Parts: sequence; C-alpha cells; structure tokens
Amino acid sequence: DARVTQTPRDKVTEMGQEVTMRCQPILGHNTVFWYRQTMMQGLELLAYFRNRAPLDDSGMPKDRFSAEMPDATLATLKIQPSEPRDSAVYFCASGSGGETEAFFGQGTRLTVV
Amino acid sequence: DAKTTQPPSMDCAEGRAANLPCNHSTISGNEYVYWYRQIHSQGPQYIIHGLKNNETNEMASLIITEDRKSSTLILPHATLRDTAVYYCIVGYNFNKFYFGSGTKLNVKP
Repeated sequence: DARVTQTPRDKVTEMGQEVTMRCQPILGHNTVFWYRQTMMQGLELLAYFRNRAPLDDSGMPKDRFSAEMPDATLATLKIQPSEPRDSAVYFCASGSGGETEAFFGQGTRLTVV
Repeated sequence: DAKTTQPPSMDCAEGRAANLPCNHSTISGNEYVYWYRQIHSQGPQYIIHGLKNNETNEMASLIITEDRKSSTLILPHATLRDTAVYYCIVGYNFNKFYFGSGTKLNVKP
C-alpha cells in the first residue's frame, strides 16, 4: 500500500532550536508539496518541488525555513531557529504531476515552547 | 487558481446520501475540480476529481454542472466514519491549490 511517510509524527522543541521534518514521497512520484495547517490559517502551501527542483517556495518564511530534496526518496523541511508561532501540523504530499491527484502524509505535529 | 465557496457545515443522517455543494464561478477551462476530506487531524484524503464530466469511484460521485461553475460531491450512503471536513479545490497541476475552510459534514445516527 503506497503512502507518503512523514517523520517524526510529533515534535516538541524549545524556541531557538533547529527542527527538521522528513518526508518520503510515494515511489515514482515526481512532485512533492509541503503544507502547514493551523487553526487560524487552515492549510497553507509552503513549497513544492518537481523532479527535486524547487518550483515555488513563496509561501515559506525565507529567513528561517528551508526545504530541500536531497534525493528522489527524501524531502526535508527545516526551521532554524524555531519560534512558538511555528507550532502547527506540517503535511507533505506527493503526486505524479499534471492533473493527477496528490496524496498526503499523516503530518508532523510541531510544538515550539 | 480559482477560489471556491462551500457551506461551513452540513448535517446528514447515517445511511442517507450526503450532497456537498461547491461554487467555483471563476474556474478556467483547464482547471479540474478536486475533492479531499480531512478526518480529525489526519492528512487530507483524496476522494475524487473531474474536469467536466461526472465521475464516480468507490468512495463518491462528482457532479459538475454544464457551465462548470458549481459541483456536488455525493456520498451515496453516509456512515459515521464519513464525518470530516470536505474541501473542494479547483486548479491544475496541484500547485498553489487553495484549500479554503471546507464543509464540516456531521453524520448523525
């Protein structure tokens, strides 16, 4: 059963610490998305990649967030330094591009204290 | 991408059909209509999508009006496990998809 895998599922960290979230897209998918969900803002697109190249990261705070795809099986989202306002659930999704649907992982719940 | 308008909440009796409407009056010719749902805090789950023809799969049916300005997601026999937030999204290539607030469907016994 192909699925998008995200680790860790939960992360509690102190303000100022670096946080790294990982995503393993579905094998063969060439498009990867990072979303953030909060009660106030709902689901927001942070960045997306196609064939490992970042195509759009305009939704991401550039000063502290960075997203990369070291290889086709791994996408990472880093926050450095983390702040309490970064507390949210971060979702990764992958797809085959075009009009095909994207599939979401179960998310990483981040709490910055 | 075109934005969508959905009612904030709807109720449905268990076993009955749930019909969730969505308005997308600014949809452009190459944009698809997608439906996702989110149960509790789980990742959004893909349900169905279509361009202009009605679509059906094992989960639901999608009815798109001829002018494509609105659509309806139909869950033919709603169960308690279908209680979720349902998102209607229009776009192409999934980039810059705007999820909006969705419709909270409450399926009641």
